Amino acid sequence: DGGITQSPKYLFRKEGQNVTLSCEQNLNHDAMYWYRQDPGQGLRLIYYSQIVNDFQKGDIAEGYSVSREKKESFPLTVTSAQKNPTAFYLCAAGQGIGGNTIYFGEGSWLTVV
Amino acid sequence: QKEVEQDPGPLSVPEGAIVSLNCTYSNSAFQYFMWYRQYSRKGPELLMYTYSSGNKEDGRFTAQVDKSSKYISLFIRDSQPSDSATYLCAMRTPLGNFNKFYFGSGTKLNVKP
Repeated sequence: DGGITQSPKYLFRKEGQNVTLSCEQNLNHDAMYWYRQDPGQGLRLIYYSQIVNDFQKGDIAEGYSVSREKKESFPLTVTSAQKNPTAFYLCAAGQGIGGNTIYFGEGSWLTVV
Repeated sequence: QKEVEQDPGPLSVPEGAIVSLNCTYSNSAFQYFMWYRQYSRKGPELLMYTYSSGNKEDGRFTAQVDKSSKYISLFIRDSQPSDSATYLCAMRTPLGNFNKFYFGSGTKLNVKP
């Protein structure tokens, strides 16, 4: 099936630890995005990438890092510098320039314990 | 002021009712307009997208855009309990060579049997 696969679905992190969320797509889309969703706040853009080996900070990039070594993959690392990491994280992909919309994965729930 | 405003609800209707969901926006540069449906603890699923002012119909769903008023709507006819979800509006604007998407915070819909 074509789509976007995020893993793990649920993740618990101890304070001070880095964790990496996986995002893989087989839609052959150039652009990939990471969003954070908190109750009542909508989706906020963390990082985006338009092409392999290139990525840009979004609106709330502090405490996060990404890489884009392959077109299909765009992992997100939540570092210990992120002060409030408990949230629902969504990966998305789109056709890049001229793309009219984006498609989302099923999301990853991160809880700090 | 947020770029996209959406009433969070919740909106509760009886089965079979016509549902109207709405968003307003402030940026006249917005082009493509989208509606997503998000079930609890799941990623958003694209329902419809449209470009121009006017109506676009897909089964029980009708998307309406009024660019002069900066107002978009999603109508659901013959609503079903399975339509109970949070509905997100979204819109796109080109930002240089990048498509940036803006999301409403979502309206929670409950369709009662």
